[in-house]
Amino acid sequence: GAVVSQHPSRVICKSGTSVKIECRSLDFQATTMFWYRQFPKQSLMLMATSNEGSKATYEQGVEKDKFLINHASLTLSTLTVTSAHPEDSSFYICSARGQGAYEQYFGPGTRLTVT
Amino acid sequence: GDSVTQMEGPVTLSEEAFLTINCTYTATGYPSLFWYVQYPGEGLQLLLKATKADDKGSNKGFEATYRKETTSFHLEKGSVQVSDSAVYFCALSDRGGATNKLIFGTGTLLAVQP
Repeated sequence: GAVVSQHPSRVICKSGTSVKIECRSLDFQATTMFWYRQFPKQSLMLMATSNEGSKATYEQGVEKDKFLINHASLTLSTLTVTSAHPEDSSFYICSARGQGAYEQYFGPGTRLTVT
Repeated sequence: GDSVTQMEGPVTLSEEAFLTINCTYTATGYPSLFWYVQYPGEGLQLLLKATKADDKGSNKGFEATYRKETTSFHLEKGSVQVSDSAVYFCALSDRGGATNKLIFGTGTLLAVQP
């Protein structure tokens, strides 16, 4: 149980375009989802926290107009990187947590490359 | 703010060797402590956790003890296997925080050679 999937697993896009990454909880209802960014040989950095039906809460330094997060249902959250640039190339990871639960379950990540 | 510091890798060991990966933390309050493992091409998986001082988390032969006096949560395994090769992340969570955000260390790559 407690499986989280991400789609796509890797994506290459051209500079200036937008790309959407999906995060799904497959066997539980995720009232809270988290989006992380992982740079090579570095830790996971929390970008934002989203609760179903509410606006996401962004961490300091994360541009909310660039990284659009939608958590419209209890099983799906999306991260849209708008007007992507090469510096946005990274590994994006989501995690999900059920209502009243403490543990986060992580997706396998999405490798974004902006050319 | 809260932070986690763990030893830099890579750590390269022979099969059946003893493993220690050091982790120390800085936090206000009384955090919960975690070790996550990331196998190649996969997402992070919770390996073990401890929620209060002197608790010992254990799983798959790995152990870590929550040491409040030294603010440490070192990961140990008595005999590693090739299949343990992965990146290991130490993390903390403020149990009193509204969102229970996780703060991660930088990760330690473990490579076990046959």
